[in-house]
Amino acid sequence: SQTIHQWPATLVQPVGSPLSLECTVEGTSNPNLYWYRQAAGRGLQLLFYSVGIGQISSEVPQNLSASRPQDRQFILSSKKLLLSDSGFYLCAWSTSYGSPAAGANVLTFGAGSRLTVL
Amino acid sequence: GQSLEQPSEVTAVEGAIVQINCTYQTSGFYGLSWYQQHDGGAPTFLSYNALDGLEETGRFSSFLSRSDSYGYLLLQELQMKDSASYFCAVRGSGYSTLTFGKGTMLLVSP
Repeated sequence: SQTIHQWPATLVQPVGSPLSLECTVEGTSNPNLYWYRQAAGRGLQLLFYSVGIGQISSEVPQNLSASRPQDRQFILSSKKLLLSDSGFYLCAWSTSYGSPAAGANVLTFGAGSRLTVL
Repeated sequence: GQSLEQPSEVTAVEGAIVQINCTYQTSGFYGLSWYQQHDGGAPTFLSYNALDGLEETGRFSSFLSRSDSYGYLLLQELQMKDSASYFCAVRGSGYSTLTFGKGTMLLVSP
């Protein structure tokens, strides 16, 4: 079966410090990978998605970046955090759209990383 | 781009039936999905509609009308554990991505 791991679960960082959140998926190959952010009491905002190694699409311009160094690894980074970067970061995967059409509608999320920037 | 509207909050009592509506605007349409998120947790997939009509999964059903750009999630025999936020999400012209609504908080009381 497929599993998704995301870490760290919680972190408190000062403004201006770097960030690295990591996500790995097991039990599948060539998944679509996503980073979403959720502000307190709000909806999910898509930050980045990737359909393959080294292929990153950015949905929202900001001081965050993403990388996919391996097929099932997705990393969210920042060189200098802002107060506005605080939130709940969620990694997710889905089957690629080449699979049965419904696959890309079904996202499986990691447990999330709660970031507080002070 | 895509946009979705859903009520911010719905309240109901145990054992009742509740319907959470979602209207969407999208260029291209490849499906409407529903997700449940308990407080502090991650969203989990509930249901998906690509074609018009009703999809039933246990106590939960989801309906889609593409001509009306409208769908709803129906929860029957409500239980306290159903208290959560519910998100509709549409896959549109951004073929590989889902755009989520802002969520509906469902409060189930005894």
